[in-house]
Amino acid sequence: GENVEQHPSTLSVQEGDSAVIKCTYSDSASNYFPWYKQELGKRPQLIIDIRSNVGEKKDQRIAVTLNKTAKHFSLHITETQPEDSAVYFCAATPNSNSGYALNFGKGTSLLVTP
Amino acid sequence: EAQVTQNPRYLITVTGKKLTVTCSQNMNHEYMSWYRQDPGLGLRQIYYSMNVEVTDKGDVPEGYKVSRKEKRNFPLILESPSPNQTSLYFCASTNNGTQYFGPGTRLLVL
Repeated sequence: GENVEQHPSTLSVQEGDSAVIKCTYSDSASNYFPWYKQELGKRPQLIIDIRSNVGEKKDQRIAVTLNKTAKHFSLHITETQPEDSAVYFCAATPNSNSGYALNFGKGTSLLVTP
Repeated sequence: EAQVTQNPRYLITVTGKKLTVTCSQNMNHEYMSWYRQDPGLGLRQIYYSMNVEVTDKGDVPEGYKVSRKEKRNFPLILESPSPNQTSLYFCASTNNGTQYFGPGTRLLVL
């Protein structure tokens, strides 16, 4: 089955700096790669996703890049703000239409200090 | 309002006492899942359901049961809870790949 590795497990940045979280996956059939943000005490929520026919996707201060050849994808947050502090999870699945086989990384705890 | 609800939100129980955590969604999604979240282990899928009366095991199904008798509900059943099932549980329903998570149920098994 799919195995998703996520690094780093913790990340601390100064407000205004950029943050990058990287994930690798093992199943070459995976074609859908979402990122979830989980604030303390709350449920995970989708912040951005990318499908395998696209190399990069951007939404304001966040962007995701995908390298299918190397089987890795990354989340980039620019101009970080304290409210970006949360745990971020990457995921991969070979079946983007269902999501039932979503395999999550172990998460990255991001701390943005003022 | 489109949402996924879970009950109870918090539960303390004792080893061996059967319990059920309910999950309901009002978005008419076919796919639903249960996850457990533990420190350092991320989100691990317990069971999923592709539609009514169709369920299958995820990565960590041992000690759990589910049922899907109607589209909106997907209860998680612990027939004989053990302390290693102490965890934070999330139900999710899925549409076009996006998982919509419930608020979570924090379970402590003594």
